[in-house]
This record gives sequence, C-alpha cells and structure tokens, in this order.
Amino acid sequence: SQQGEEDPQALSIQEGENATMNCSYKTSINNLQWYRQNSGRGLVHLILIRSNEREKHSGRLRVTLDTSKKSSSLLITASRAADTASYFCATDAGTGGFKTIFGAGTRLFVKA
Amino acid sequence: EAQVTQNPRYLITVTGKKLTVTCSQNMNHEYMSWYRQDPGLGLRQIYYSMNVEVTDKGDVPEGYKVSRKEKRNFPLILESPSPNQTSLYFCASSFGSSLDEQYFGPGTRLTVT
Repeated sequence: SQQGEEDPQALSIQEGENATMNCSYKTSINNLQWYRQNSGRGLVHLILIRSNEREKHSGRLRVTLDTSKKSSSLLITASRAADTASYFCATDAGTGGFKTIFGAGTRLFVKA
Repeated sequence: EAQVTQNPRYLITVTGKKLTVTCSQNMNHEYMSWYRQDPGLGLRQIYYSMNVEVTDKGDVPEGYKVSRKEKRNFPLILESPSPNQTSLYFCASSFGSSLDEQYFGPGTRLTVT
C-alpha cells in the first residue's frame, strides 16, 4: 500500500530558483523523513521531522509538517545543478518503527 | 568506513533458478530492511528485521524469504524467481527501527528472464 505520495511527480527549474515538493500520507505517523536518490543509486537521508514538530531546517533544506492535513513539504532554496535527483518521503505509517512506507517520489531537474 | 554492502550488484537469471542477494552492514545496526524499486512506484518494503532472528513481512513479501542469523547480515532469497521480480533491490539498515535514519546499500539490479 502506498502511504506517502509526492507531488509533483517531476519538476524542472533553473539553477538559483527554489524547489518545493509535497508529500501526503494516510495514517498517523511518528515521524517523516526525506531521502534523496541520484539516478539508480542508494538513497541518502536528508532530514527527519517528528510528528510534534512543524518546521525544520538543515542548510538549504526546509521541511514543514502539517499533521492535521497529513502532509509535508520539502523546500530546497537556491537550487544547484547538483540537486538534480529524485526525492522521496518516508514514514513508519504509525507502526511504531516497524514498517517503512515510501512515496513514489519527485524527480527534480535543475538546469544550469 | 560505515557502509551497507550488497552482492551481486547486477544479476541476470532465468525463471525458477534460486538465488540469494547478500546484504551486510558494519554499523552494528539492529534494524535491517529490503526494498524493491520499480518505475513510478517508489520503494516498497519486502521484509524487515528488528534484530537477530526477528523478521517480518513488509508490503510485498510474496516470492521472497529472508533470514537474520547474525546481526550484520540480512540475505534476500528468491526460491523460484519469476519475471515480475525483475527490479532494483535495496538493502538498508538503521540503529534501532524505521524511525531512525536508514543507510542504504548501492542496489542490486535483478533481471529474471
């Protein structure tokens, strides 16, 4: 079953612009994590936001979480060509840390 | 260097020929997991393990087996592979559970003909 669903599915922007990706989920969660994947490679963890947090920052990344709407957004500011990748949200779907449910991902292309 | 390793990285096999994909981590992590990635579907969890001898099904366990006899290793076994198991497979580990940051292996691209 798909828990997280990202939109848009694909996003193309110019270098220097901001990129916003959204993730929606269906059940209660303990936390939500964002991962990045460069073409066909293993995922790399970007940031984790707990269910009692509303916003978190890490460098050029800003994540928000709205548990009432069951949604999260990932903002990448001042995008670079090296940010070109797929971005996924993941939750434990309220299983208490047993399962992991990933969304289908957003493919970001940053043009130099 | 802290890492998750998978072998083989690429495998082409035929329907019905049993195969094992190995996964090993050197971080003393308790939680390990297998995922498959198919175009447009993101990653789907196959099996996970909370600790040695403790494994459970994810969302797509049919056709797969796992074992966790040692903390560092979590092999994925396909007893009788079928073409619908052609996919990109990832192993991952984390300190305690899926609530923690997961570290991913480089992936195994499997083709079943």
